[in-house]
Amino acid sequence: QVQLQESGPGLLKPAQTLSLTCSVSGGSVNSGNYYWAWIRQVPGKGLEWIGYIFHSGSAYYNPSLQSRASLSVDTSKNQLSLKLRSVTVADTAVYYCARDKGQLLFDYWGQGTLVTVSS
Amino acid sequence: DIQMTQSPSTLSVSVGDRVTITCQASQDIGNYLNWYQQKQGKAPKLLIYDASHLERGVPSRFSGSGSGTDFSFTISDLQPEDIGTYYCQQYDNVPMCTFGQGTTLE
Repeated sequence: QVQLQESGPGLLKPAQTLSLTCSVSGGSVNSGNYYWAWIRQVPGKGLEWIGYIFHSGSAYYNPSLQSRASLSVDTSKNQLSLKLRSVTVADTAVYYCARDKGQLLFDYWGQGTLVTVSS
Repeated sequence: DIQMTQSPSTLSVSVGDRVTITCQASQDIGNYLNWYQQKQGKAPKLLIYDASHLERGVPSRFSGSGSGTDFSFTISDLQPEDIGTYYCQQYDNVPMCTFGQGTTLE
């Protein structure tokens, strides 16, 4: 059973960089069969795809976040990472990592981590 | 961007009800549509992919249909554990996808 677990600071100030890690167990991020995605959800609102990354390091981003987001993968630790620069209060959300089994089909998700941006 | 419009936003339901949610795309997306269920405080769960295919392990009371711009999702015999919010997701313009705003069953 694949399990994903997000971790990182829960509180940031505006203009700081959000840095989250997703630890994967029960599966390998080095698998050529899957992409690994980040998705966020503003509290009480809908879902927004941030981007995804392949084990090779090839990444694709939501155009609305492309200038600020950066994804990476550490195959030795079986982890994914998300960095989002210059955060504002609008970036306050629950951030999820998820496995993409192809064509943006997310079959396994982490439990999510709330990141609050506040001065 | 492809916009997804779900209706209704909220739906008052009872056990045993037949529940239908609709999702309309702003342009033709073929059958590139998935449905997810999200329970309070939990991550979304994939239920239906490619508009009408049931994900493995998902009860058969869930179904989906449609193509092009108009899609529907049905729960044939609502159970108490089906309470939550349901989202459609289009993936016609890979590597980009968008979600509907959600339909909450209460």
